[in-house]
Amino acid sequence: NAGVTQTPKFQVLKTGQSMTLQCAQDMNHNSMYWYRQDPGMGLRLIYYSASEGTTDKGEVPNGYNVSRLNKREFSLRLESAAPSQTSVYFCASSERGNNYGYTFGSGTRLTVV
Amino acid sequence: DQQVKQNSPSLSVQEGRISILNCDYTNSMFDYFLWYKKYPAEGPTFLISISSIKDKNEDGRFTVFLNKSAKHLSLHIVPSQPGDSAVYFCAASALSIHGAGNMLTFGGGTRLMVKP
Repeated sequence: NAGVTQTPKFQVLKTGQSMTLQCAQDMNHNSMYWYRQDPGMGLRLIYYSASEGTTDKGEVPNGYNVSRLNKREFSLRLESAAPSQTSVYFCASSERGNNYGYTFGSGTRLTVV
Repeated sequence: DQQVKQNSPSLSVQEGRISILNCDYTNSMFDYFLWYKKYPAEGPTFLISISSIKDKNEDGRFTVFLNKSAKHLSLHIVPSQPGDSAVYFCAASALSIHGAGNMLTFGGGTRLMVKP
């Protein structure tokens, strides 16, 4: 019963490098989300996918791209990493109308040097 | 401008006493509110929620109160236990307009420390 699985758990990048954060859920949820957590800022929405085949920008989308590969998987790509993207990234999923909100993954701690 | 604010970054209470965590919001379209609990190196987990048609919801030691006129909600933990030490996030949703995505807007979090 994995829930939401994120890989990798830790990553160090050099400025300008690219990478993709992977996320998969096994709960057959329609909606998936990418958030970043920064001290004092809480969780801010980067991108979301309301259903398979759709993606939309959230509050802080600049510097990121996403792909909803299928119903299970939602990846986040940093094309050219910047130190400002040092953060903890959380993927989450939910079912429309679910009063229990999101199920989160355990996060990816990314450091850009 | 943050639509959901938790003005206390940290709170320390003695084991057995009450913990009160506060949250304020500005968007009157929010109609559903949730609290999440987060331990280090883990993702947030759902704790308790409340719909805007209610003013109180209780689940064991956890009670959430909603004051719509003041745009304020609070989480009460009674009695507090050392295992409650974590970061607590308040979140709000406008289900009536975000039904397609269930998007949540989070506050900045409050770190609760319960001392034995």
